[in-house]
Amino acid sequence: NAGVMQNPRHLVRRRGQEARLRCSPMKGHSHVYWYRQLPEEGLKFMVYLQKENIIDESGMPKERFSAEFPKEGPSILRIQQVVRGDSAAYFCASSPTGLAGENEQFFGPGTRLTVL
Amino acid sequence: GENVEQHPSTLSVQEGDSAVIKCTYSDSASNYFPWYKQELGKRPQLIIDIRSNVGEKKDQRIAVTLNKTAKHFSLHITETQPEDSAVYFCALSEAGTALIFGKGTTLSVSS
Repeated sequence: NAGVMQNPRHLVRRRGQEARLRCSPMKGHSHVYWYRQLPEEGLKFMVYLQKENIIDESGMPKERFSAEFPKEGPSILRIQQVVRGDSAAYFCASSPTGLAGENEQFFGPGTRLTVL
Repeated sequence: GENVEQHPSTLSVQEGDSAVIKCTYSDSASNYFPWYKQELGKRPQLIIDIRSNVGEKKDQRIAVTLNKTAKHFSLHITETQPEDSAVYFCALSEAGTALIFGKGTTLSVSS
């Protein structure tokens, strides 16, 4: 059973470009979470999705950021018109359910975004 | 919203000593408390977790204790080894929500 997959592992963009980060959850997992980690800091929640639904996007900036988890294919975190402050590691995690007390989350290897 | 305070931010111990990291929180609705270990440039890995109906859980050299009344939970690592050196994050969640993480503790184990 493959773990959570993320690609690309490293992404370099110039200011103003778009960044697309992909996450394939573990087999059998239908819940996906995106977190951002700035250098030497903890992980900050961005968005929680189930297939075709955004459950909680309270941690995601309202502008330039969007996320989706289509019926088929990976979850995608999209950042438009990137700025230097978007440079960070973006981790995706998946879990089999979103139920309280069963919320064990497994993390992918992350995408390290560098904005020049 | 919920906030998690984690202490200390750095911890240096000698090989064989014990290490204790503590986290406090404010929202009594939190009911799931995992601990993650993150090595440099790697993904966070779940090392142990505890749920609100349990006060203590142990897995070999690692143990977690939870005091729901006082709203704090702690990670205990005994007989530390150099390979335990990493950043450790506490986290918590409540019903159907994402994890809220502490800011991390950098543990250094010297031989």
